[in-house]
Amino acid sequence: DAGITQSPRHKVTETGTPVTLRCHQTENHRYMYWYRQDPGHGLRLIHYSYGVKDTDKGEVSDGYSVSRSKTEDFLLTLESATSSQTSVYFCAISAGTGQETQYFGPGTRLLVL
Amino acid sequence: EDQVTQSPEALRLQEGESSSLNCSYTVSGLRGLFWYRQDPGKGPEFLFTLYSAGEEKEKERLKATLTKKESFLHITAPKPEDSATYLCAVQANGAGSYQLTFGKGTKLSVIP
Repeated sequence: DAGITQSPRHKVTETGTPVTLRCHQTENHRYMYWYRQDPGHGLRLIHYSYGVKDTDKGEVSDGYSVSRSKTEDFLLTLESATSSQTSVYFCAISAGTGQETQYFGPGTRLLVL
Repeated sequence: EDQVTQSPEALRLQEGESSSLNCSYTVSGLRGLFWYRQDPGKGPEFLFTLYSAGEEKEKERLKATLTKKESFLHITAPKPEDSATYLCAVQANGAGSYQLTFGKGTKLSVIP
């Protein structure tokens, strides 16, 4: 898993509750990404980071926020979880300019009831 | 808008029966085309990056090729352990183009 861990690996929560997912890397790579994967869709980018405290929106960012206070950690927060956010969330990292290969973590399976 | 279409959605092969998976794409200037393998319950595992038409890369029983409109993942004499979902993704050229646009994948089953 290219030195990437995600926590928790599984989570069940209720609609309206806040949820934070964590991605931790040991590679010291500059770029980190959050994707979601749903049946019938390809992986879709939620947010990405190009350095500490430098983040930007991806294709499906509504309802999500991110933070990166250290190079190794990238947090994804669902401020008020909805059933449409039930998904599998993957973190990815890449080195260099951000246009190198992205390596993915093991994923977090989130169920919002 | 960048688009990736993979076909077929699912493919069943007998062990040793060679075949190809297709990835058709439209992108505003291709920076790279990526192939990943994903096993159930796991994250995508990187296989290949292709950068320009005519390029080919090989790894064990897998060979990836690229044209200006599509990429093929050729599987020669597959084994049951090659069973997985294979994902194709493209990245566009240009500063700030970090996003990968993924296809929905081809689920490959290799029967002993």
